[in-house]
Amino acid sequence: KQEVTQIPAALSVPEGENLVLNCSFTDSAIYNLQWFRQDPGKGLTSLLLIQSSQREQTSGRLNASLDKSSGRSTLYIAASQPGDSATYLCAVVPHTGKLIFGQGTTLQVKP
Amino acid sequence: DAGVIQSPRHEVTEMGQEVTLRCKPISGHNSLFWYRQTMMRGLELLIYFNNNVPIDDSGMPEDRFSAKMPNASFSTLKIQPSEPRDSAVYFCASTPNSGNTEAFFGQGTRLTVV
Repeated sequence: KQEVTQIPAALSVPEGENLVLNCSFTDSAIYNLQWFRQDPGKGLTSLLLIQSSQREQTSGRLNASLDKSSGRSTLYIAASQPGDSATYLCAVVPHTGKLIFGQGTTLQVKP
Repeated sequence: DAGVIQSPRHEVTEMGQEVTLRCKPISGHNSLFWYRQTMMRGLELLIYFNNNVPIDDSGMPEDRFSAKMPNASFSTLKIQPSEPRDSAVYFCASTPNSGNTEAFFGQGTRLTVV
């Protein structure tokens, strides 16, 4: 059974810091991995999608990497801003086609 | 495209009442997912459809829950009778096809059963 774990559960950093969020999964047989952002009381916004054949994807200050063999992905946020404060969720898509989510990392960036 | 549209955004109902949540996926998307989010359990997949056919309903908690997708542009999740423990945020998501594509989520329906 595929399980997804995100560490840390919560993170508080001062503005301007570079930071790394971690996601690990137990079964490397996946189609893709997707990172989402969720603001309080809102839906999920897709940030980055990494296909199983890819190693990383970049969008602006965000960079996500994927190492299937070790069952790990990281989301790197450069020069963090208060507006980055949110919960970040990773989800893997196994061969069944359904997204399996981690519990999320709640990020607070202090001005 | 307006994205995945869910209605209502908020629903407050009394225990024992029937609740129907609605979802309109993105046009052209073939897969639709219903998720439930709570503080204790995070995001749980309830059911997912591919080409309007239910593929996996193993996450549906019990017979009080049912879901339908009568056509490619509409799905419902029904709870009858509702119970206080059903209180959660229910999300609908769609993808162009199952597997190797990006998922898009609606804004969710916050259900409170009193």
